[in-house]
Amino acid sequence: DAGVIQSPRHEVTEMGQEVTLRCKPISGHNSLFWYRQTMMRGLELLIYFNNNVPIDDSGMPEDRFSAKMPNASFSTLKIQPSEPRDSAVYFCASSPWDRANTEAFFGQGTRLTVV
Amino acid sequence: AQTVTQSQPEMSVQEAETVTLSCTYDTSESDYYLFWYKQPPSRQMILVIRQEAYKQQNATENRFSVNFQKAAKSFSLKISDSQLGDAAMYFCARRGGSEKLVFGKGTKLTVNP
Repeated sequence: DAGVIQSPRHEVTEMGQEVTLRCKPISGHNSLFWYRQTMMRGLELLIYFNNNVPIDDSGMPEDRFSAKMPNASFSTLKIQPSEPRDSAVYFCASSPWDRANTEAFFGQGTRLTVV
Repeated sequence: AQTVTQSQPEMSVQEAETVTLSCTYDTSESDYYLFWYKQPPSRQMILVIRQEAYKQQNATENRFSVNFQKAAKSFSLKISDSQLGDAAMYFCARRGGSEKLVFGKGTKLTVNP
């Protein structure tokens, strides 16, 4: 398996623009997580899905952020409009649903820079 | 909020020596799982070791072992015979019945030759 695949690896955009980050989880994994990593706040859980359904989005910072999982093999995290304080590394991770003792497998992350 | 706390932002160790990274957590659940992840400069998140809370025996993976104190809600990572390749950020994480996987803020480990 190729692992969790995120695109793009790097994104530079201007303030006010819409940004879409993409994730393909490992086949057969039913849980999907989106994290944001910054120096100040560490790894923050933004939202997670089970069987394509959002279970907890309490970590989404504000309405500018939205996430979707239209099917088991694809998820997006959208920021509209983007702001400089959104600059961070965004990780997607997936995990089997029925084995809570199994770790989450991470993608390589997307480094987002908003100028 | 159920949190994970790593009180050491940075640690250093001499090559071939032993170092212990600390982690405490808060949970109201009786069934949960604990993890240590390593993040080298490549930023890839790599699982180092896992511990099931219902198991009393501390987990061990080669040079990596944990000291799990359930009553104290403590989960420290010991790295023996440190190698230059162990230099990285280390994150402690907890996952409970709610399936949420929550991380601490990390400890940056430097290995000195």
